[in-house]
Amino acid sequence: QVQLVQSGAEVKKPGASVKVSCKASGYTFTSFHVHWVRQAPGQGLEWMGIINPSGGSTTYTQKLQGRVTMTRDTSTSTVYMELSSLRSEDTAVYYCARNKEGGWFDSWGQGTLVTVSS
Amino acid sequence: DIVMTQSPDSLAVSLGERATINCKSSQSVLYSPNNKNYLGWYQQKPGQPPKLLIYWASTRESGVPDRFSGSGSGTDFTLTISSLQAEDVAVYFCQQYYTTSRSFGPGTKVEIK
Repeated sequence: QVQLVQSGAEVKKPGASVKVSCKASGYTFTSFHVHWVRQAPGQGLEWMGIINPSGGSTTYTQKLQGRVTMTRDTSTSTVYMELSSLRSEDTAVYYCARNKEGGWFDSWGQGTLVTVSS
Repeated sequence: DIVMTQSPDSLAVSLGERATINCKSSQSVLYSPNNKNYLGWYQQKPGQPPKLLIYWASTRESGVPDRFSGSGSGTDFTLTISSLQAEDVAVYFCQQYYTTSRSFGPGTKVEIK
């Protein structure tokens, strides 16, 4: 079955960077785009960007341009999301999600809590 | 960017009664060439990732109980739970996938009265 398994929780200081991984299994990795979505404590869902695992092309939300980088490793079927210059407002649970053909998200990772605190 | 809004923010419904959640998009998400609305609904329970319930505004995902239904077109959409069960307590989000830059509604919290 389709599974997206993310790396564990992180605690970072303001100004640092964090890299979260999302390992896919149960399907052909290069056939489906992957999105990243984050959710601050008690808040809604914020779309961060999308990566095409086949060619590596990316599109990011304007809000995070310059601070977010999404990459992939086809040899391990893993996508990565790196966020730099962290600030307290980046404290959130970060999710990866698979893009189904029509565009909806049919499978999600379990989430990775990133805490930014001095 | 398309802005999604939802109403109400929260609602309390008795077990077995109907729950109705509304979602509005700032521009139409109906794609005329295929006559499909690029709108989905998700359910999120505490400590869990969102779960897909509905896509194309009204198509239930496999395994989703038929008490969940979606309707609407263009800019106005509705998620209905026909007979609320205890396990339906959750936050519900709508999402547009009309544009590459996806966006979600702020969520509606459903509780038992």
